[in-house]
Amino acid sequence: GNSVTQMEGPVTLSEEAFLTINCTYTATGYPSLFWYVQYPGEGLQLLLKATKADDKGSNKGFEATYRKETTSFHLEKGSVQVSDSAVYFCALRTRILDVIIQGAQKLVFGQGTRLTINP
Amino acid sequence: EAGVAQSPRYKIIEKRQSVAFWCNPISGHATLYWYQQILGQGPKLLIQFQNNGVVDDSQLPKDRFSAERLKGVDSTLKIQPAKLEDSAVYLCASSSIRVGNEQFFGPGTRLTVL
Repeated sequence: GNSVTQMEGPVTLSEEAFLTINCTYTATGYPSLFWYVQYPGEGLQLLLKATKADDKGSNKGFEATYRKETTSFHLEKGSVQVSDSAVYFCALRTRILDVIIQGAQKLVFGQGTRLTINP
Repeated sequence: EAGVAQSPRYKIIEKRQSVAFWCNPISGHATLYWYQQILGQGPKLLIQFQNNGVVDDSQLPKDRFSAERLKGVDSTLKIQPAKLEDSAVYLCASSSIRVGNEQFFGPGTRLTVL
């Protein structure tokens, strides 16, 4: 079945440090890939996405590239801020054509990585 | 545009009691999802509705969990009777093909079973 594996946390960095959170996936078909962020006390928010191989998603200085050959979608940011402290989830969603066969278009999440940025 | 609303935000019950959660999706969103997020894990889909019909409930523990979306708008998720392992955050999300099927999440209901 479909699954997502993220690097284990927690991750603690200093402000302005470079961030990488690793994410690899296993899926049948050609999934879309997502990064969601969960700030303290809030719901999940979509951070960025990529729908096909070699696409790069980007938002708020974060970026991730869909690598089909390594089945990866690593999240990166060049210079983190204290306000980036949150839990980050990598997720996949099956394509519409796969959905017709499988019957549902659910998101499959990784276990999450807690990021803390110190000033 | 108002987001996904959920209530209550927090609930504490004893095992074997019953509990219900409510979700009101974004207006016009035909698809509604309930996820269970256990501490330290990613959300897991429990049930997905398309309007008032169930699309996927393969991971819903049907001996104790039930959900309905009678008029195709808001939804309730019920647990009866609750077990200790049901302690989790229950997230509701909604989506529409008009916005690329992106799922928008509510703030969640944190359930503690004692």
